[in-house]
Amino acid sequence: NAGVTQTPKFRVLKTGQSMTLLCAQDMNHEYMYWYRQDPGMGLRLIHYSVGEGTTAKGEVPDGYNVSRLKKQNFLLGLESAAPSQTSVYFCASSSGGFALGSPLHFGNGTRLTVT
Amino acid sequence: AQSVTQLDSQVPVFEEAPVELRCNYSSSVSVYLFWYVQYPNQGLQLLLKYLSGSTLVESINGFEAEFNKSQTSFHLRKPSVHISDTAEYFCAVAQPTSYDKVIFGPGTSLSVIP
Repeated sequence: NAGVTQTPKFRVLKTGQSMTLLCAQDMNHEYMYWYRQDPGMGLRLIHYSVGEGTTAKGEVPDGYNVSRLKKQNFLLGLESAAPSQTSVYFCASSSGGFALGSPLHFGNGTRLTVT
Repeated sequence: AQSVTQLDSQVPVFEEAPVELRCNYSSSVSVYLFWYVQYPNQGLQLLLKYLSGSTLVESINGFEAEFNKSQTSFHLRKPSVHISDTAEYFCAVAQPTSYDKVIFGPGTSLSVIP
């Protein structure tokens, strides 16, 4: 049972380059999220989706775009990477959303370095 | 605005000793409370959660947390830790009516010393 799978695991970008992080879940979850984790700051929500074809901004959306064309996939894009986007990125999914107290299921993360 | 405070960034403890990881939150509305654990090079995993009912909640691996509304706290405890408990622990607060109103604390690194 794979759960939430993130690719790639590691990536190094130069300032101004673009890339897409892929998140795939096999639990038929409606809700998917992208977080970034920085030392001493916990996790901060970038964007989220409450269903196929929907996306919404989280706490720190600037510099990122997302798409949810298929229910099982949630893509995070960086159009023009900046050093401030150096972080560990986590994708998560849940079945019922926060309103039902549904827990988040996390992937193992993508470590991104922007030089 | 909601916020979550984890007062200790690092907690070293000897094996088989008890441990308490502190979490305090601020919110003007009712909340759901969670503890997540992150082992090295892995994503976060749910440890336990409080939604309603009994204020004492337990996990399958011996951790427990108690919701204290008057003190706005949700401290995590274990009476006897193992080496395998070494990990980062995050307290999280979710607002039932809003999908993006979940706040994670900065984390507490628990190191169990043999």
